[in-house]
Amino acid sequence: QITLKESGPTVVKPTQTLTLTCTFSGFSLFTNGVGVGWIRQPPGEALEWLALIYWDDDKRYSPSLKSRLTITKDTPRNRVILTMTNMDPVDTATYYCAHRPAGNPGFGPWGQGTLVTVSS
Amino acid sequence: DIQLTQSPSFLSASVGDRVTITCRASQGISSSLAWYQQKPGKAPELLISDASTLQSGVPSRFSGSGSGTEFTLTISSLQPEDFATYYCQQLNSYFYTFGQGTKLEIK
Repeated sequence: QITLKESGPTVVKPTQTLTLTCTFSGFSLFTNGVGVGWIRQPPGEALEWLALIYWDDDKRYSPSLKSRLTITKDTPRNRVILTMTNMDPVDTATYYCAHRPAGNPGFGPWGQGTLVTVSS
Repeated sequence: DIQLTQSPSFLSASVGDRVTITCRASQGISSSLAWYQQKPGKAPELLISDASTLQSGVPSRFSGSGSGTEFTLTISSLQPEDFATYYCQQLNSYFYTFGQGTKLEIK
């Protein structure tokens, strides 16, 4: 059974850097073709794709946020870390991580999400 | 950037109805499209990948079709548990984008 769980601060101040960790089980980033992505959703709004890292360290970023995002992986510990710099109140959202199976062009399952509020 | 436009944004329907949601891409994406269902307070769940491949465990009343720039998600006979928000996502380009969502409500 594949599970993912996001962890990190629930509140950050404007201009601070957000660091979120996705801890997963049931699959490995040693496996060819597998990836983990990050997606966010502001309250009452649509999903926004942020970043993805593959087993071979191939990294993809949303063009609009690329300058602020860094995605890394800790493969032996089954973790993927997302950092976002210069946080702003508009970045208030639920942040999800999700499994990208090898050969399946979709994301699933997803973690439960973690709400991050940006406020002074 | 590839933009996805879903229509309608809101849909009111009754149990037993057949409904169709459309997702249009700003440029051709072959069949690299996924559909997700999201219920309030929950994470999205993958329903369909490759435009028409139903994921394991997803009821057969859900179906997807299309290629290129126009795609559809059809629910053949709405059940109470189907009232949710649906999103399409393209996975054709170097980075991936979602549509704005379609909220399916009970009439």
